[in-house]
Amino acid sequence: EKVMTQSPATLSVSPGERATLSCGASQSFGTKVAWYQQKPGQAPRLLIYGTSTRATGIPTRFSVGGSGTEFTLIINGLQSEDFAVYYCQRYSNWPPQGTFGPGTKVDMK
Amino acid sequence: DVQLVESGGGLVKPGGSLRLSCAASGFTFSSFTMNWVRQAPGKGLEWVSSISSDSTYIYYPDSVKGRFTISRDNTNNSLYLQMNGLRADDTAVYYCTRAVLIEPSAMGLWGQGTLVTVSA
Repeated sequence: EKVMTQSPATLSVSPGERATLSCGASQSFGTKVAWYQQKPGQAPRLLIYGTSTRATGIPTRFSVGGSGTEFTLIINGLQSEDFAVYYCQRYSNWPPQGTFGPGTKVDMK
Repeated sequence: DVQLVESGGGLVKPGGSLRLSCAASGFTFSSFTMNWVRQAPGKGLEWVSSISSDSTYIYYPDSVKGRFTISRDNTNNSLYLQMNGLRADDTAVYYCTRAVLIEPSAMGLWGQGTLVTVSA
């Protein structure tokens, strides 16, 4: 069974600190990764696509790492507006579809 | 403004049907792959369907295949999702999304969502 994971489920961080979020898969869901941020009551927002490209307007404190079956989203110098749930999505070039991970909630320590 | 606005959600009985609409504005709708993504209350995101810019390619996960039909009208900048045979586990907020132009699976623009509740 193909399983996508995100860890940790919850990450408690103080403002100004670094947050490291992981996205893994038991098998290959696709070679690319996207990351989304969702705040309560809002639609998700694209942060990263094509594994490492920041979407328009996304600050440089958001960066990515990893390859193969394990990818990471790194948030340097966490700001108050960064407290949210983060989802990764694994996909291939084609067809247009993708599997989302279960999410990591980043909350304030 | 560049935006997507969904409509058509509501309360429906198990086995019933519903048609969601998404009105796009502020961009060249006919150039983009479009998608529906849903989120059950308190849960994560689930991809529901994708349609290529000219409707040539259409995809569904197994969970909705045979029950849901995605379509688009490029003349009127609209996306649709016809949902038949609705079940309780289809209860969710349904988001209309626009793909990134060069990455058809990455969802660069999201609507505010419309809630579908399936209950007797």
